[in-house]
Amino acid sequence: AQKVTQAQTEISVVEKEDVTLDCVYETRDTTYYLFWYKQPPSGELVFLIRRNSFDEQNEISGRYSWNFQKSTSSFNFTITASQVVDSAVYFCALSERRSSASKIIFGSGTRLSIRP
Amino acid sequence: EAEVAQSPRYKITEKSQAVAFWCDPISGHATLYWYRQILGQGPELLVQFQDESVVDDSQLPKDRFSAERLKGVDSTLKIQPAELGDSAMYLCASSILQGGSYNEQFFGPGTRLTVL
Repeated sequence: AQKVTQAQTEISVVEKEDVTLDCVYETRDTTYYLFWYKQPPSGELVFLIRRNSFDEQNEISGRYSWNFQKSTSSFNFTITASQVVDSAVYFCALSERRSSASKIIFGSGTRLSIRP
Repeated sequence: EAEVAQSPRYKITEKSQAVAFWCDPISGHATLYWYRQILGQGPELLVQFQDESVVDDSQLPKDRFSAERLKGVDSTLKIQPAELGDSAMYLCASSILQGGSYNEQFFGPGTRLTVL
């Protein structure tokens, strides 16, 4: 069965600090996709990144970086020099590639608060 | 830029009443998903359509929930009768159907339901 675990329910840091959001996943498939979404207070889900299971290269996009390690089934997300606008709930998610239209399994989310 | 449309954005109803949500996917997207997000949790798939056919409704409480996509375009999700535990955000997503690769899911802004 698929499962995504985000053990950190809430994180609060002061602006400009670096922060890492943890994500651990479970799947029996060898081909799958991992995602991170951001959900600001307005409620919409904002897509941040997708990785497939064959690409373990870390990725950096501005202040955001992602560390994918198949050996530990983890896909962690780091925000460098955090800003107040980064405050949101962040979801890690998994989709098994059984078809080209597979559902997404979400973790329970980590609420990130950046204090000025 | 094409977007998934949902209405209403907010709905307040009383217990035992009927309520309906509407979703208009991005034009040309054959796959449509309804997710439910209870406060403090990640979204969970309720039903998935491929054109007008249901391909996954295993998590849909069929005694009170129904979903249809009669012409394979827009979709309606209905709850009758609503219960207090149905208070949640209802998210619609759509994706194009192309074999052989992952098809991105695009999420709408959601309908926030409050049952009193």
